[in-house]
Amino acid sequence: DQQVKQNSPSLSVQEGRISILNCDYTNSMFDYFLWYKKYPAEGPTFLISISSIKDKNEDGRFTVFLNKSAKHLSLHIVPSQPGDSAVYFCAASGAGNMLTFGGGTRLMVKP
Amino acid sequence: DTGVSQDPRHKITKRGQNVTFRCDPISEHNRLYWYRQTLGQGPEFLTYFQNEAQLEKSRLLSDRFSAERPKGSFSTLEIQRTEQGDSAMYLCASSLGGVLYNEQFFGPGTRLTVL
Repeated sequence: DQQVKQNSPSLSVQEGRISILNCDYTNSMFDYFLWYKKYPAEGPTFLISISSIKDKNEDGRFTVFLNKSAKHLSLHIVPSQPGDSAVYFCAASGAGNMLTFGGGTRLMVKP
Repeated sequence: DTGVSQDPRHKITKRGQNVTFRCDPISEHNRLYWYRQTLGQGPEFLTYFQNEAQLEKSRLLSDRFSAERPKGSFSTLEIQRTEQGDSAMYLCASSLGGVLYNEQFFGPGTRLTVL
């Protein structure tokens, strides 16, 4: 039973345009959500997070939106840059601190 | 470099051998986590420590897997009698404890190949 799902395995975007990565979850006990970026042969790098008491968090080019009623979150990257090309994972946390990850979305930003 | 470090980065072993991996967390972090990642999947939680106490270990994949953090600093993950299905990337992460929400910071991982 996948509690966190990223339904798009890949996404291709032109440099300078917006990238939107989506994530759905099923467990209503999750109250903290994170996005990580991963390059090959490296560990995941923390990007941005949001708690369930908020519906938006912004950090530079990255914005995360949370829709609790729909159990959906999204990551917006504006403007997209070629260096953003990587695999992006969403993760969720509830009591117990363990992170439950989605399967990842490979983002390709074309120059 | 003050990030999470893991050693070795790569390990090739034969089926049936025991392997041990080490993780050194960020120095001020008292929580330490182990995850496993297989190809095409997201990381999967295994276990975590608060200081030297192992607070969750029910997600360890079998009794062949064990982890320790004897002095509340570095941690080791041991896999006994390795099987080909154990081939994966083993990731360590650390975070601050005592706060409601805390980001976990990951090390580079140890890639295990069981022949």
